Amino acid sequence: AQKVTQAQTEISVVEKEDVTLDCVYETRDTTYYLFWYKQPPSGELVFLIRRNSFDEQNEISGRYSWNFQKSTSSFNFTITASQVVDSAVYFCALSEASRTSGTYKYIFGTGTRLKVLA
Amino acid sequence: DAGITQSPRHKVTETGTPVTLRCHQTENHRYMYWYRQDPGHGLRLIHYSYGVKDTDKGEVSDGYSVSRSKTEDFLLTLESATSSQTSVYFCAISPVNQPQHFGDGTRLSIL
Repeated sequence: AQKVTQAQTEISVVEKEDVTLDCVYETRDTTYYLFWYKQPPSGELVFLIRRNSFDEQNEISGRYSWNFQKSTSSFNFTITASQVVDSAVYFCALSEASRTSGTYKYIFGTGTRLKVLA
Repeated sequence: DAGITQSPRHKVTETGTPVTLRCHQTENHRYMYWYRQDPGHGLRLIHYSYGVKDTDKGEVSDGYSVSRSKTEDFLLTLESATSSQTSVYFCAISPVNQPQHFGDGTRLSIL
């Protein structure tokens, strides 16, 4: 069955430290998409990145970078030089096609709460 | 901003009463989703819709029903609310395999 595991429930770092959030997934599909979302204390869910299964290039966006490795079924997220504003819950998600209807739904991990201390 | 609105934003009700949450979009997206968010469980899919009158169950669909009579509206109904359904409910919209855009959430308390 499709599954997304975020084993780190909560991480605390001191400002300016680098931090990596882990995401491991399971899927039967050969074509799939992975996502990261951020949920700050205000509660809204903010999209960060989408990656398809055929694109294993790492991506960097400012202080954020993502490492996608199909060999280990992982899609990890690194924040470099963390800041207090990075404090949030981060979710990893996988899209999958339903075997019964052929339609698409998303499976989310349980999230990692990141606390960045000043 | 993403053209999605949830109503109400907050609701307190009693066990056994029916409750309907509304999700409205102005983006004309085919897919609409209802999730619940609970501590330690992340976001769990309740039901989703892939077109008018086309819906499918998610992982926690028991006790919930949905309807989509037009593209822009997706309703979530708790026929007889229970305390275990106290949660924050999020609606999301998206094209296929694209990033989801989420509503602001509905905080539902069932006493």
